[in-house]
Amino acid sequence: GAGVSQSPSNKVTEKGKDVELRCDPISGHTALYWYRQSLGQGLEFLIYFQGNSAPDKSGLPSDRFSAERTGGSVSTLTIQRTQQEDSAVYLCASSLIGTRNRGEQYFGPGTRLTVT
Amino acid sequence: LAKTTQPISMDSYEGQEVNITCSHNNIATNDYITWYQQFPSQGPRFIIQGYKTKVTNEVASLFIPADRKSSTLSLPRVSLSDTAVYYCLVGSDTGGFKTIFGAGTRLFVKA
Repeated sequence: GAGVSQSPSNKVTEKGKDVELRCDPISGHTALYWYRQSLGQGLEFLIYFQGNSAPDKSGLPSDRFSAERTGGSVSTLTIQRTQQEDSAVYLCASSLIGTRNRGEQYFGPGTRLTVT
Repeated sequence: LAKTTQPISMDSYEGQEVNITCSHNNIATNDYITWYQQFPSQGPRFIIQGYKTKVTNEVASLFIPADRKSSTLSLPRVSLSDTAVYYCLVGSDTGGFKTIFGAGTRLFVKA
């Protein structure tokens, strides 16, 4: 079946430009997560959406980062005025709270962002 | 959020059993313990989850002692394709499973 998809797969942008990263979760999954992973590092939590609740934005590193989730499905992560330290792979995951494997997260392939 | 501690890296040979232990001293009553596997250039993939005692599936076993302050992921008879990073996380429905992926354990399986 269809998994989590992300677009674009790769994005190269100039410092100071804005970028939008898109995530299409698995249909019916109520929870959606964004993570950032720098080369050779673990995953850094950014933001979490659950149903109609207010998102948990506690992981966003600065006010240049924002995310929204429209209609409880597709999510967009926006980075304004990109900096070189924003270069990383941005991973999206979705899950269905309350299933047998509690909170099992299904990850997309990621978007590799390079800021030059 | 409960923090987890794992070894940074481990080496093994094909056919051996590998045990990766994770410490989570501040685990909460409602927290479950979940392990993920990540290959290069891919997102993490769920391996196994448990609450207490022992859980086994077709891929691995998870051993959790009574105090739940640690857990051990056991991979039987590893192969080269098991070379990956393994993450241990704790979380619950209450917290939306907003969990912290640490640096994980890099497992290298040699021929």
